[in-house]
Amino acid sequence: GAGVSQSPSNKVTEKGKDVELRCDPISGHTALYWYRQSLGQGLEFLIYFQGNSAPDKSGLPSDRFSAERTGGSVSTLTIQRTQQEDSAVYLCASKRGNEQFFGPGTRLTVL
Amino acid sequence: QQPVQSPQAVILREGEDAVINCSSSKALYSVHWYRQKHGEAPVFLMILLKGGEQKGHEKISASFNEKKQQSSLYLTASQLSYSGTYFCGTDLSGGYNKLIFGAGTRLAVHP
Repeated sequence: GAGVSQSPSNKVTEKGKDVELRCDPISGHTALYWYRQSLGQGLEFLIYFQGNSAPDKSGLPSDRFSAERTGGSVSTLTIQRTQQEDSAVYLCASKRGNEQFFGPGTRLTVL
Repeated sequence: QQPVQSPQAVILREGEDAVINCSSSKALYSVHWYRQKHGEAPVFLMILLKGGEQKGHEKISASFNEKKQQSSLYLTASQLSYSGTYFCGTDLSGGYNKLIFGAGTRLAVHP
């Protein structure tokens, strides 16, 4: 079956612009996570969605970051007024049981 | 809150063994291990739920010492395919909802 998909795979933007990153989780997975991975670093938790519950936003680094999940499926991570330090790979994962299935990520470069 | 992984990097010859450690300053409900090959998404290896529990995946096993808040990943008779970065993810909440990942241990296996 299809895995987690993310789009775009690469995004280059100018400082100050807004970007939207998309995640399509595996069908039927109710839990969805966003992580950020800077070059050579670990996975930094950003936000977590579970069903219809309020999302856990405790990992969002600033109010420029927001995410939504529509219809319990597709999720969009929005970064407003991008800064150079936002450059990273943004990974999405959906969960079945104890296992998180990661998408291929979106590599964001802010010039 | 981020767990500490050690060593940061390991270089092995095929067939050699290695141990990767993960320790937390907080009480843990579970420890999750993932492997990420270069340019790919992280892939789930195993979860450890109870103190002293051990699990296995191929020739990779792990232990979890709940009292010491530590987990160790054991790679036996390493293969070239084991190369990658290994991350431990710790669950502090008890609901497997949010994992805090360590910075990773880079493993390179050479012929």
